[in-house]
Amino acid sequence: NAGVTQTPKFQVLKTGQSMTLQCAQDMNHNSMYWYRQDPGMGLRLIYYSASEGTTDKGEVPNGYNVSRLNKREFSLRLESAAPSQTSVYFCASSNPYRDRGNTEAFFGQGTRLTVV
Amino acid sequence: GESVGLHLPTLSVQEGDNSIINCAYSNSASDYFIWYKQESGKGPQFIIDIRSNMDKRQGQRVTVLLNKTVKHLSLQIAATQPGDSAVYFCAEINTGGFKTIFGAGTRLFVKA
Repeated sequence: NAGVTQTPKFQVLKTGQSMTLQCAQDMNHNSMYWYRQDPGMGLRLIYYSASEGTTDKGEVPNGYNVSRLNKREFSLRLESAAPSQTSVYFCASSNPYRDRGNTEAFFGQGTRLTVV
Repeated sequence: GESVGLHLPTLSVQEGDNSIINCAYSNSASDYFIWYKQESGKGPQFIIDIRSNMDKRQGQRVTVLLNKTVKHLSLQIAATQPGDSAVYFCAEINTGGFKTIFGAGTRLFVKA
């Protein structure tokens, strides 16, 4: 059971380059999320998708776009990378308690992104 | 804005002792409060949650206490083990469960 899978695990970009972080879950979860974690900090929500076909902004959406491709996949795109976007990015999925009565989110292993 | 924070950034305890990790929150409207554990190089893992209408919940070796009067949350780990060494995050969740907001975290060191 793979859970939440993120690719790539590591990436170095030059300022201004674009890239897409991929995320897939095999738990049939309705909701998916993208977080960033800066060194010594907590996780901040970038975007989330409550269900297939919907996406919403989180705490720090500027500079990012997302696509909920289908129920399994939720991608995060950086159109023009900036050094301030150097961080570890985590994808997560869950079936929110409104629908399933639980609060647990399952996280991927993270993508370490450096923008130089 | 809304935030969830922590009093102690690092905590060092002796193996076998009990650990208490504290957290302050600011959003009284949150439905649930959650504790996550994050080991080095990994994503966070769910430990335990507590609904906002409760003041205590127990799990295996862990207890979460919620004091809504002072907006304080704590995680108690009994008989702390080396495998408990990690960063612990408190988090709050609302709006039907779609938005989990994390605090800054506490690093727990367990001394053998």
